[in-house]
Amino acid sequence: SQQGEEDPQALSIQEGENATMNCSYKTSINNLQWYRQNSGRGLVHLILIRSNEREKHSGRLRVTLDTSKKSSSLLITASRAADTASYFCATDPIQGAQKLVFGQGTRLTINP
Amino acid sequence: DTGVSQDPRHKITKRGQNVTFRCDPISEHNRLYWYRQTLGQGPEFLTYFQNEAQLEKSRLLSDRFSAERPKGSFSTLEIQRTEQGDSAMYLCASSHTSAYYEQYFGPGTRLTVT
Repeated sequence: SQQGEEDPQALSIQEGENATMNCSYKTSINNLQWYRQNSGRGLVHLILIRSNEREKHSGRLRVTLDTSKKSSSLLITASRAADTASYFCATDPIQGAQKLVFGQGTRLTINP
Repeated sequence: DTGVSQDPRHKITKRGQNVTFRCDPISEHNRLYWYRQTLGQGPEFLTYFQNEAQLEKSRLLSDRFSAERPKGSFSTLEIQRTEQGDSAMYLCASSHTSAYYEQYFGPGTRLTVT
């Protein structure tokens, strides 16, 4: 079973707007990552945040982590049509035998 | 291209047939993972190898599934007597043991069982 739940399941916004996706998880983690997946393709790593970090930036991406609430958010600023994809959070549980546990994903559509 | 590669990219088979998928990891990575992803869901862990040793298998990996990594390089995933419920994207990822969580994914093999 999957650990994470992502919210919303689907998000549709206009190009240039900001997109925010949330991820909640159940058990204590070493780190959390966000991946992007274009339709029918493999996953591309976007950003990793460790359990002792609260916020991280990479280009137009901003990730936050609240371990007390077991939640994370991914903000994409100034969205582009090319950002249309599914976004998944993946946790590395402390007691997880060194495998990633993925959420169900948010399907993001950027309208031109 | 030095990324993770998978072959074939697509496979259509009839129920009851056997299928085999191949994954070639990034050459210096000693960890290799297999995940399965069904439509609208996130990937789910199936199994992983460290070098040639298979260290963990998920309960999702029924007796009809077998994975190998004979020389610690490429890996194969075989599904025997396929069922319609096996239809999914099968993803392979590789990493270093020291940073096992930094997994690089291949493009996946999409299996359709008719």
